[in-house]
Amino acid sequence: DIQMTQSPSTLSASVGDRVTITCRASQSISSWLAWYQQKPGKAPKLLIYKASTLNSGVPSRFSGSGSGTEFTLTISSLQPDNFATYYCQQYNSFPYTFGQGTKLEIK
Amino acid sequence: EEQLLESGGGLVQPGGSLRLSCAASGFTFRSFTMSWVRQAPGKGLEWVSGISSGGSSTYADSVKGRFFISRDNSNNTLHLQMDSLTAEDTAIYYCARGLPLGYWGQGALVTVSS
Repeated sequence: DIQMTQSPSTLSASVGDRVTITCRASQSISSWLAWYQQKPGKAPKLLIYKASTLNSGVPSRFSGSGSGTEFTLTISSLQPDNFATYYCQQYNSFPYTFGQGTKLEIK
Repeated sequence: EEQLLESGGGLVQPGGSLRLSCAASGFTFRSFTMSWVRQAPGKGLEWVSGISSGGSSTYADSVKGRFFISRDNSNNTLHLQMDSLTAEDTAIYYCARGLPLGYWGQGALVTVSS
């Protein structure tokens, strides 16, 4: 199975900050990577797919990059609504594994 | 408006069985790969099983041989038959559409406990 490792596990930041979350795959997944946002008590929402394509309706302050084994999710200017947990997921090969999550907290 | 509505969750004893359903509406269900993803209390997301539009299915090792995914395209419904349940299967189970998982239901809670 492909292991997905996110860092950091927790990130404390302030409104207006630029933040970056990293996701590493244990083997190459080309660009078959998605990012999800989950808020407490809610289902996850797809933010980015194919490593860098923004899902419909997602604000442009979110961006994704990378290919192969290393990927990043960047939020250019944090808004109050962005404090949540973020997950990466590879969909290159079964099983479609998730990273362990990064909790973005208000500093 | 597209919608996924899970049902069938509940409390079950270890070793028991449960069948989850996910009713889809607002989109062409038969055209999409569908998946089940679970989240244990306070934990991260775990992909459980998926079924293609053509009916091919795959499973996570943790559930292989115990869970069975199926779809009823005539009734726009996804199912997950779960057998030989253990405490480690306690989680919220989400159904999700597409690949990647572009739309999710609100989840069904499954609790395995005596």
